[in-house]
Amino acid sequence: EVQLVESGGDLVQPGGSLRLSCAASGFTFSTYYMSWVRRAPGKGLEWVATIKQDGSEKYYVDSVKGRFTISRDNAKNSLDLQVNSLRAEDTAVYYCARHTGDYWGQGTLVTVSS
Amino acid sequence: DVVMTQSPLSLPVTLGQPASISCRSSQSLVHSDGNTYLNWFQQRPGQSPRRLIYKVSNRDSGVPDRFSGSGSGTDFTLKISRVEADDVGVYYCMQGTHWPWTFGQGTKVEIK
Repeated sequence: EVQLVESGGDLVQPGGSLRLSCAASGFTFSTYYMSWVRRAPGKGLEWVATIKQDGSEKYYVDSVKGRFTISRDNAKNSLDLQVNSLRAEDTAVYYCARHTGDYWGQGTLVTVSS
Repeated sequence: DVVMTQSPLSLPVTLGQPASISCRSSQSLVHSDGNTYLNWFQQRPGQSPRRLIYKVSNRDSGVPDRFSGSGSGTDFTLKISRVEADDVGVYYCMQGTHWPWTFGQGTKVEIK
């Protein structure tokens, strides 16, 4: 059974940083693109970042470029999202998703507030 | 960036009746590999998103055949043949052809 389990969400002050993690199991992690998608309160889904199977290519939505970094460890079946210089508008539930969304985690909540 | 425009944004439906959601993209979603990467997702209240349809018209495993996707180029449609109570939620189209991938605004389906 495919499972994606996110962790790392927290309440953080503007300008702060967090590292979100996604533990994958039940499939051959190293053979899939992996993505982060978020949903802010009262808003729709927003794709944030995607990483290629071997980590050689990474793609970001413009609003997070230079602040967020996606990475993966295929030996540990894990996906990370380093989020820096956080802003109030980054407040959202962050989901880990496989490829183009055939499987999703339960999400982890990031709240940016002073 | 490719803009995905859904309509309607709110869709009150009667149980047992059909429903249809439109999704238009600001440019063609035909990839250089010949595929069209247009997906549909359902997000029920309090749950994670679930993919229903991939590459325009392919139903994901476990998705009832009441759901169908169609379209080409820049115009796409999700249809529910007979709405059930379980179908309440927000529906999103998403394009995976061009970077960055983008979602539509979402269509909220509710029962009348």
